[in-house]
Amino acid sequence: AQSVTQLGSHVSVSEGALVLLRCNYSSSVPPYLFWYVQYPNQGLQLLLKYTSAATLVKGINGFEAEFKKSETSFHLTKPSAHMSDAAEYFCAVRGVGYNKLIFGAGTRLAVHP
Amino acid sequence: DAGITQSPRYKITETGRQVTLMCHQTWSHSYMFWYRQDLGHGLRLIYYSAAADITDKGEVPDGYVVSRSKTENFPLTLESATRSQTSVYFCASRASGRALSGELFFGEGSRLTVL
Repeated sequence: AQSVTQLGSHVSVSEGALVLLRCNYSSSVPPYLFWYVQYPNQGLQLLLKYTSAATLVKGINGFEAEFKKSETSFHLTKPSAHMSDAAEYFCAVRGVGYNKLIFGAGTRLAVHP
Repeated sequence: DAGITQSPRYKITETGRQVTLMCHQTWSHSYMFWYRQDLGHGLRLIYYSAAADITDKGEVPDGYVVSRSKTENFPLTLESATRSQTSVYFCASRASGRALSGELFFGEGSRLTVL
């Protein structure tokens, strides 16, 4: 069965510091992985995706993620945090049959001056 | 404006009452989804629909009913609301043939409180 584990429900960084949000997955089929971002009082929007092409994936707003099969990980990073990055971030893996996305519990990112 | 809209955005109801959350999309996407978002659980799939008149259960379907008579609408009904159904509900859609893109388009959510 597919599942996603996000390590750390809350992450706090200083503005300008590295952002690292952790995601580990379990999948019985070749994994397709996604990161979504949710700003306050809004729906989710796609940040980036891995669909078996390049293992280093670049997304919007300077975020990127690296797929590591040996570690079953898909961690999200950004070299320098900005105040506007404060949001909740969800890692997701495609479900069997393509019709479903299985989401992790989310990580709330706080950025302080 | 094109997009996906949910109504109501906020709803307070009492245990045992019937509640319907509406979802409308203007893209003519084939697939539509209902998720609930709860602290510590992330988003969990309630029901989804591949096309008009085709629906299927997700991870947590108990206590919910859906219908899809028109492509653009996908209402979610709580037939007899319970306190455990207090949550934020998100509707999402995806175009057919775009499964691998993973790009679901989400509404802004409906916050439901059951007293």
